[in-house]
Amino acid sequence: DTAVSQTPKYLVTQMGNDKSIKCEQNLGHDTMYWYKQDSKKFLKIMFSYNNKELIINETVPNRFSPKSPDKAHLNLHINSLELGDSAVYFCASSQDWGYQPQHFGDGTRLSIL
Amino acid sequence: QKEVEQNSGPLSVPEGAIASLNCTYSDRVSQSFFWYRQYSGKSPELIMSIYSNGDKEDGRFTAQLNKASQYVSLLIRDSQPSDSATYLCAVNLLGTNAGKSTFGDGTTLTVKP
Repeated sequence: DTAVSQTPKYLVTQMGNDKSIKCEQNLGHDTMYWYKQDSKKFLKIMFSYNNKELIINETVPNRFSPKSPDKAHLNLHINSLELGDSAVYFCASSQDWGYQPQHFGDGTRLSIL
Repeated sequence: QKEVEQNSGPLSVPEGAIASLNCTYSDRVSQSFFWYRQYSGKSPELIMSIYSNGDKEDGRFTAQLNKASQYVSLLIRDSQPSDSATYLCAVNLLGTNAGKSTFGDGTTLTVKP
C-alpha cells in the first residue's frame, strides 16, 4: 500500500539510450511532481502536473518529456541520455496545487555508463 | 542570493542536546514552509509544516517562523542518533507559483552518542 511508487528503483544504461520512469500515487492527490537530486544532494524541481495539466516546466532539456495519463500517474521519458543525467529522480505528490506539503516516492537512481 | 538558504553544515551535536537548524528565504510573499528529513539513500519525508508566525511543536520538534525577518527554523530537542540525517527547508510561494516548493541545499546533522 505504498503511497507514491516509482519504477524502476535503479536504472543503469548507456549514453544515447532512451528510458522511462513511471510513477503512481494512491493518495487521491491532484498534483504530481518530478524532481532531480544530483550528487551534491540539491533537490531541483523539473515538472509539475495538476489534474493532468502541466503547470511547472522548469528549464529542463527537451530530451525530458513528462506525461500524465491521469491524475494518479506521472511518467518521465528521457531521450538520448547523457552522462550529466546521472542522478536520483524523485516523484512526489501533494493534495492540491497550493500550500500542501509533498509526499515523495523512493526515487529512481539513474546511472549512465 | 539564493531563494532559500540554510545554514551550512555539517552540524554535529551530542546525544540529548538541542539541534538548531536555520533557513532564510528571499521572497516576502512566501506562505507555506516545510521541513523535510532525508536519510542517506532515502527519499525526503515531511516532518513539519508551518504557515503562520510563531512556534509549532510536534513531539521533540519545534518549527519557528518569522515572516518579517524571512526566517524559519527547526529545533530538535533531546537529539537522538536516529535524528542524524539531512534536513531540507522548503518554501512555497503565492500566485502562479503557489504549488512550487523551492528547497534549500540542506543541512546535514550528526548526533553523536
